[in-house]
Amino acid sequence: GAGVSQSPRYKVAKRGQDVALRCDPISGHVSLFWYQQALGQGPEFLTYFQNEAQLDKSGLPSDRFFAERPEGSVSTLKIQRTQQEDSAVYLCASLISTTLANTGELFFGEGSRLTVL
Amino acid sequence: KQEVTQIPAALSVPEGENLVLNCSFTDSAIYNLQWFRQDPGKGLTSLLLIQSSQREQTSGRLNASLDKSSGRSTLYIAASQPGDSATYLCAVRPGNQFYFGTGTSLTVIP
Repeated sequence: GAGVSQSPRYKVAKRGQDVALRCDPISGHVSLFWYQQALGQGPEFLTYFQNEAQLDKSGLPSDRFFAERPEGSVSTLKIQRTQQEDSAVYLCASLISTTLANTGELFFGEGSRLTVL
Repeated sequence: KQEVTQIPAALSVPEGENLVLNCSFTDSAIYNLQWFRQDPGKGLTSLLLIQSSQREQTSGRLNASLDKSSGRSTLYIAASQPGDSATYLCAVRPGNQFYFGTGTSLTVIP
């Protein structure tokens, strides 16, 4: 696609519900990142995929958070038993290259704003 | 862990003024640094990418410099316009992750 696409743009969940957030990266982009952004803060790293392999999940705040990218393209971030502190904007980004020394630009989607009541 | 700091947190300038936004990072072992803008309720839009071997990048009225050894980058905006009003974030990449600052909120007053 032309850009990184995320859905839903807005999600309201009751505490304890499970949610799934989808990211469709730019076609051909090998690397995919999930970030969490609280109001007034910079994005915080959650997890990183290279194709279908999840190479780094050190930023996932708890075992309630799970991400997958089974075919190396679309990715889903799942949050189980949502809590109020999970309320944030979840941003997905993709990058064309895996080479650290000379990467292209990181491109972001519009984000999914999650509100947990 | 890499810490990224952006100063000032907020800036308000009259239209037409030139301005400088600052970004500092604690670990100079980075592969690249990228500047973004973020409009309210939107995602991040890439402005400039500087590889670790580069000193600066320019795009239109924007110029970004990188001094890796001192852990600093600046974003220079020339002849500011009201449409430049947004939050500007810098991010550094020491490995798989990108580390972001908390941003500078810029308001350009017509």
